[in-house]
Amino acid sequence: DGGITQSPKYLFRKEGQNVTLSCEQNLNHDAMYWYRQDPGQGLRLIYYSQIVNDFQKGDIAEGYSVSREKKESFPLTVTSAQKNPTAFYLCASSPGNRDYEQYFGPGTRLTVT
Amino acid sequence: GDSVTQMEGPVTLSEEAFLTINCTYTATGYPSLFWYVQYPGEGLQLLLKATKADDKGSNKGFEATYRKETTSFHLEKGSVQVSDSAVYFCALVPSSGGYQKVTFGIGTKLQVIP
Repeated sequence: DGGITQSPKYLFRKEGQNVTLSCEQNLNHDAMYWYRQDPGQGLRLIYYSQIVNDFQKGDIAEGYSVSREKKESFPLTVTSAQKNPTAFYLCASSPGNRDYEQYFGPGTRLTVT
Repeated sequence: GDSVTQMEGPVTLSEEAFLTINCTYTATGYPSLFWYVQYPGEGLQLLLKATKADDKGSNKGFEATYRKETTSFHLEKGSVQVSDSAVYFCALVPSSGGYQKVTFGIGTKLQVIP
């Protein structure tokens, strides 16, 4: 079955630690995205990547970093510089080439204490 | 810039009631419009879409019509079920070329009670 996987489902970290969230897709999509979801704020774009080895900042990139070394993978690192990292993180992909439907993973809930 | 406006809710309905969730947008040209649904603890999934004015998207009994004159894409369903309880997001993608950033609404929570 094609789709997007995110792991783990729940993640707990202590303040001051960096943490990396995994996102893998086997849909052969060019574009991949990371969103943050907080209650009452909808989805906010953190980073996106249109092709391998290229990515751009979204609306709230500060305190986050990404890499896109393979088409299938787009991991997100939440660094200690992110002031309020506790949130639900969603990864998505889209085919590109004027097909703008986004396919979402199941999400990772990160709790930092 | 582009924006999507929808009420946050929650919208509470009895089973078999008629559902309307309003969505209005601000964008230049003719954006593509989407409704996504998010069930508790899951990611979003596409519910329906429309890519040009007067198009009607439909899926699983839900419908929405792209109204350019009122810049709206309201979601409707004739008879809701408890299993429709979820958060519904309206979204748009602008019509210009190149990378297309998706603009999401805030999401409307729907609760259907038996």
